[in-house]
Amino acid sequence: EAQVTQNPRYLITVTGKKLTVTCSQNMNHEYMSWYRQDPGLGLRQIYYSMNVEVTDKGDVPEGYKVSRKEKRNFPLILESPSPNQTSLYFCASSPSGGGGYTFGSGTRLTVV
Amino acid sequence: GEDVEQSLFLSVREGDSSVINCTYTDSSSTYLYWYKQEPGAGLQLLTYIFSNMDMKQDQRLTVLLNKKDKHLSLRIADTQTGDSAIYFCAETFSGGYNKLIFGAGTRLAVHP
Repeated sequence: EAQVTQNPRYLITVTGKKLTVTCSQNMNHEYMSWYRQDPGLGLRQIYYSMNVEVTDKGDVPEGYKVSRKEKRNFPLILESPSPNQTSLYFCASSPSGGGGYTFGSGTRLTVV
Repeated sequence: GEDVEQSLFLSVREGDSSVINCTYTDSSSTYLYWYKQEPGAGLQLLTYIFSNMDMKQDQRLTVLLNKKDKHLSLRIADTQTGDSAIYFCAETFSGGYNKLIFGAGTRLAVHP
């Protein structure tokens, strides 16, 4: 089944403790993105990647890092999480040349 | 700049038609999308329309695009309780990378 898999689905952590949210897709898509969803704001892009070793900042990159060492994986790293990063996070992938993104099921992160 | 706006809430009776509206500001949009988000789930691509089209129909869904007014709508015929969800309008732009810009989402409530 074609899908984007994120882990974990739920995570509660403390301020300052480094964490990684994993994302993997099995569709051989070039593009991958991370979004955060907050009430009343829709989804905002954190980082994106156009291919292996090619990443760039989205609209809200502060406090996040990403890497794209393999085409299928695009982990999101929070080096020192803060409470304002409490949010619902989505990973998504898309083929090149247009077309819609396929989204993962989301990771609900709470930073206390 | 890029901006997508939607009304936040719509309530309809089961069996009626629902119309969810969206306006966008950037005339260089290439594709316009409608995504559906059910509670606790990721975003599901419902349909999309290329910017040189006026209308697209897919079973119970009809998308209308008015490029002059930068207005996009999604009509759901014979609305069912299973259609209750948040609907997001999104757009992408030309330029070699299909970044998605989302509206805040419209919550559709279907009542008997």
